[in-house]
Amino acid sequence: GAGVSQSPSNKVTEKGKDVELRCDPISGHTALYWYRQSLGQGLEFLIYFQGNSAPDKSGLPSDRFSAERTGGSVSTLTIQRTQQEDSAVYLCASSPSRTTDTQYFGPGTRLTVL
Amino acid sequence: AQRVTQPEKLLSVFKGAPVELKCNYSYSGSPELFWYVQYSRQRLQLLLRHISRESIKGFTADLNKGETSFHLKKPFAQEEDSAMYYCALRRAAGNKLTFGGGTRVLVKP
Repeated sequence: GAGVSQSPSNKVTEKGKDVELRCDPISGHTALYWYRQSLGQGLEFLIYFQGNSAPDKSGLPSDRFSAERTGGSVSTLTIQRTQQEDSAVYLCASSPSRTTDTQYFGPGTRLTVL
Repeated sequence: AQRVTQPEKLLSVFKGAPVELKCNYSYSGSPELFWYVQYSRQRLQLLLRHISRESIKGFTADLNKGETSFHLKKPFAQEEDSAMYYCALRRAAGNKLTFGGGTRVLVKP
């Protein structure tokens, strides 16, 4: 079946602009995660959604970062007033309802801030 | 807070040689440990998890709570094992994964 999909695959933006990154999880998966993969920081957790519960935002690096998940499915990660240090690959993952389940990753969105 | 350390950024071995990727963690509770792999131009995928105690693609990993380690081993490396490997920890009944910095494995013919 279809895996986790993300769009766009690449995004180049200018410093100070806002960007939106999209994630479509595997159908039926109630848990959704955002991670960031960068040269300096490795793979970092950003935010986690589980069903209708309040999201775990503990990994968001600043208040310029926000995410929402509409209808328990698609999620959008928004970065406002982008900075060069935001350049990274943003990965989305989803898993079935239980927190012990395997996380399935999307292909990522490569963000470059000029 | 939990932390995962992979001391080797790059491991280069010849085909047929053994390979061991080191992973150490710090966490006061009982964690779940994982190895994820990312082949060239492919997405990150689960290789194995300690609770399954299984061998995948010839790889095994044993959780050593005394040494807080979860090293990944394969007795005979193959060229198709060339990839980026990440060790990850999840708190028991937790959710997010905490990743190590990754080890790039290059298997030479």
